[in-house]
Amino acid sequence: DTGVSQDPRHKITKRGQNVTFRCDPISEHNRLYWYRQTLGQGPEFLTYFQNEAQLEKSRLLSDRFSAERPKGSFSTLEIQRTEQGDSAMYLCASSPGQTEIYFGEGSWLTVV
Amino acid sequence: AQSVTQLGSHVSVSEGALVLLRCNYSSSVPPYLFWYVQYPNQGLQLLLKYTTGATLVKGINGFEAEFKKSETSFHLTKPSAHMSDAAEYFCAVSDRVNNNDMRFGAGTRLTVKP
Repeated sequence: DTGVSQDPRHKITKRGQNVTFRCDPISEHNRLYWYRQTLGQGPEFLTYFQNEAQLEKSRLLSDRFSAERPKGSFSTLEIQRTEQGDSAMYLCASSPGQTEIYFGEGSWLTVV
Repeated sequence: AQSVTQLGSHVSVSEGALVLLRCNYSSSVPPYLFWYVQYPNQGLQLLLKYTTGATLVKGINGFEAEFKKSETSFHLTKPSAHMSDAAEYFCAVSDRVNNNDMRFGAGTRLTVKP
């Protein structure tokens, strides 16, 4: 049983560029989450999908951020016109139901 | 809305000593409670969870936590620390209806001294 997979693990980009992260959840998990984590902080909720439907978005998710889960399987998180404040680890997680969620290893973004 | 507060951003213990990491929660409905561990440059791994039933829950790596409703606490303990326990630990809370609203504490970094 493979876990949640994220790609790329590390990304360095120049300010103003667009970046995209991919998440492959645990198979048959219908719920998929994106979190952001900065140094010294816990994960902050960004958005949540049930199957292909995006059911909730945090106020942290500005207009420059967009997430999709087109076929209810993998998901992408795109950040347009990156800013230095976007530097963080972006965590994807999936869940089969109403209890625990399972995290991937995260995608580190550094904006220079 | 739920929230958790982790008391102490950094805890240091000697190898073989008791580990106690504190977590207090706030929730308007009966909560689900979780402890996750994070090793450097990795994602979060579930240690244990409380949903219903027995208030003392056991997790992986010898950790356990007790749900105390009267104290709104869910402290994490381990009788004897091992060097490999050094990591960041996060307490989390979610409601019983929508776990899409899981909230994490700021984390406690555990250091284990030889």
